[in-house]
Amino acid sequence: DGGITQSPKYLFRKEGQNVTLSCEQNLNHDAMYWYRQDPGQGLRLIYYSQIVNDFQKGDIAEGYSVSREKKESFPLTVTSAQKNPTAFYLCASGGFEQFFGPGTRLTVL
Amino acid sequence: LAKTTQPISMDSYEGQEVNITCSHNNIATNDYITWYQQFPSQGPRFIIQGYKTKVTNEVASLFIPADRKSSTLSLPRVSLSDTAVYYCLVDPSGAGSYQLTFGKGTKLSVIP
Repeated sequence: DGGITQSPKYLFRKEGQNVTLSCEQNLNHDAMYWYRQDPGQGLRLIYYSQIVNDFQKGDIAEGYSVSREKKESFPLTVTSAQKNPTAFYLCASGGFEQFFGPGTRLTVL
Repeated sequence: LAKTTQPISMDSYEGQEVNITCSHNNIATNDYITWYQQFPSQGPRFIIQGYKTKVTNEVASLFIPADRKSSTLSLPRVSLSDTAVYYCLVDPSGAGSYQLTFGKGTKLSVIP
């Protein structure tokens, strides 16, 4: 089955720690995206990548980093510099139609 | 990026047709209008996209007037499973950009 997988589904971290969220797709899409969603809010774009080894900052990139070494993978690192990291993180791939993964809910303790 | 305005919430009874209107006054020539649906704790799902006039698929219809400053998503005969948040987006994919801006969306509650 084609699709996007994100892991883990739930993630807990202590304040001051970096954490990496996984995103994998087998849809053969060039473009991939990371969004953040806070309760009752819409999605905000963190980073996006239109091709391997290239990525651009979205609207709220501060405190996050990404890499795109393979077409299938676009991991997101939430660094200790992110002041309020507790949120629901969504990965997507595609063009005019974006396909979303199931999300990772990150909680900072 | 063009901003959209849509109602925060709507209620509807099962079996009724639901129309959600979105305004996008500063839409650009190359922009499309796209709607996504999101259930709690899941990623959004693409519903429909259009440029002008009317588009229909197996899930919904999208009506876009000639001036393209607004659009209406129509869901025929809703069921309880249509309870979700619906996002209207001005989509710059017509210009080769796939940066999407999601607002707060419209929370649709379907009542038995």
